[in-house]
Amino acid sequence: KAGVTQTPRYLIKTRGQQVTLSCSPISGHRSVSWYQQTPGQGLQFLFEYFSETQRNKGNFPGRFSGRQFSNSRSEMNVSTLELGDSALYLCASSLGMASGRVYEQYFGPGTRLTVT
Amino acid sequence: QKEVEQDPGPLSVPEGAIVSLNCTYSNSAFQYFMWYRQYSRKGPELLMYTYSSGNKEDGRFTAQVDKSSKYISLFIRDSQPSDSATYLCAMGGAGGTSYGKLTFGQGTILTVHP
Repeated sequence: KAGVTQTPRYLIKTRGQQVTLSCSPISGHRSVSWYQQTPGQGLQFLFEYFSETQRNKGNFPGRFSGRQFSNSRSEMNVSTLELGDSALYLCASSLGMASGRVYEQYFGPGTRLTVT
Repeated sequence: QKEVEQDPGPLSVPEGAIVSLNCTYSNSAFQYFMWYRQYSRKGPELLMYTYSSGNKEDGRFTAQVDKSSKYISLFIRDSQPSDSATYLCAMGGAGGTSYGKLTFGQGTILTVHP
């Protein structure tokens, strides 16, 4: 089974621009979560989508947004980029929850965003 | 105070040593616990997943969860140079619809030298 894929893998943008990152989950997985990883703050939760609905949102400004499509693929968008948005953006997919069990999250390789 | 505390190390051990990695947490609503391994410039790789207090073993890895003490551990037996990576603890399930949100420790950098 193919793993989680993320595109692009590397991105360089200028302050003020906007960026869209893409994530394709493992086949059959309907839950997609996004995380930001920086050396100072570690891994921080951005948001989670399940069946095209945002179920959870982390403590990030409204410049960070996302969506999920009917095929479970997800995108996240960051508008008006700031230098502090430079980070590794990770996507994780999961079967979600069923019969009281919460399934594991599997991560993609990430998109490394550099804002100059 | 962070919800999840993990000693960042770095931790350096000789090949063959037993490694102990630990995390403490403050939110008693966490219900499930994971350990991830992350190599440099890669995404985290799931090592262990546990849903209750007790031990779980998988090959050279053993995960322990003590919910009463809010403490989890990962033991690596017969450590190998290929185990050199950053190890992240993660936990979730803090009530309501928060099941898809994982809260991570800062990660422990481990180096196993030959």
